[in-house]
Amino acid sequence: GQQLNQSPQSMFIQEGEDVSMNCTSSSIFNTWLWYKQDPGEGPVLLIALYKAGELTSNGRLTAQFGITRKDSFLNISASIPSDVGIYFCAGQLLPGNYGQNFVFGPGTRLSVLP
Amino acid sequence: DAGVIQSPRHEVTEMGQEVTLRCKPISGHNSLFWYRQTMMRGLELLIYFNNNVPIDDSGMPEDRFSAKMPNASFSTLKIQPSEPRDSAVYFCASSVTSGNLDEQFFGPGTRLTVL
Repeated sequence: GQQLNQSPQSMFIQEGEDVSMNCTSSSIFNTWLWYKQDPGEGPVLLIALYKAGELTSNGRLTAQFGITRKDSFLNISASIPSDVGIYFCAGQLLPGNYGQNFVFGPGTRLSVLP
Repeated sequence: DAGVIQSPRHEVTEMGQEVTLRCKPISGHNSLFWYRQTMMRGLELLIYFNNNVPIDDSGMPEDRFSAKMPNASFSTLKIQPSEPRDSAVYFCASSVTSGNLDEQFFGPGTRLTVL
């Protein structure tokens, strides 16, 4: 089945710094999503991307759907302590289909130092 | 809205015991999903229901796992007998339709430890 790779696996940054993480796959996806998971909670959707090349922002977060449809990146500007958590990417091959048609990445664990 | 509700939040049990995890989806949502999250395998879809009917259970790891949705407001995931390798966080999610991943809302999860 499809596999997603996320990098970096973890990162430690100083408050105020910008953050960049990405998600790659050998498979083509039609939808890319980015989630954040706080400790002890379920994932919460941050940004959804539906079109190759699409660049979407949500506050200090910006994500892009790669032109090849095999990758996506997420940037966080001016990080703050509450940005701490695990960031997951997820790809959906076809809308309306689950099971083998979507997959979550392993996550990037972000720590923000005051 | 209360969001997706899961119970218990934590469960510790001994190998061989039956475990039942419960989920109440968001009112009005027609689809319900069960996921398992581990360090080794990440977040995996186990099964999903649409209008209370199981649609795809290809992610259910073994016959020891079973899921039911007797009505639109309740679902259970049962493991019988449980094994230590079942230790994980189990998430339930719901959405208005089953079509798009971006419509899912996740519950807080049940952390299961099988000794």
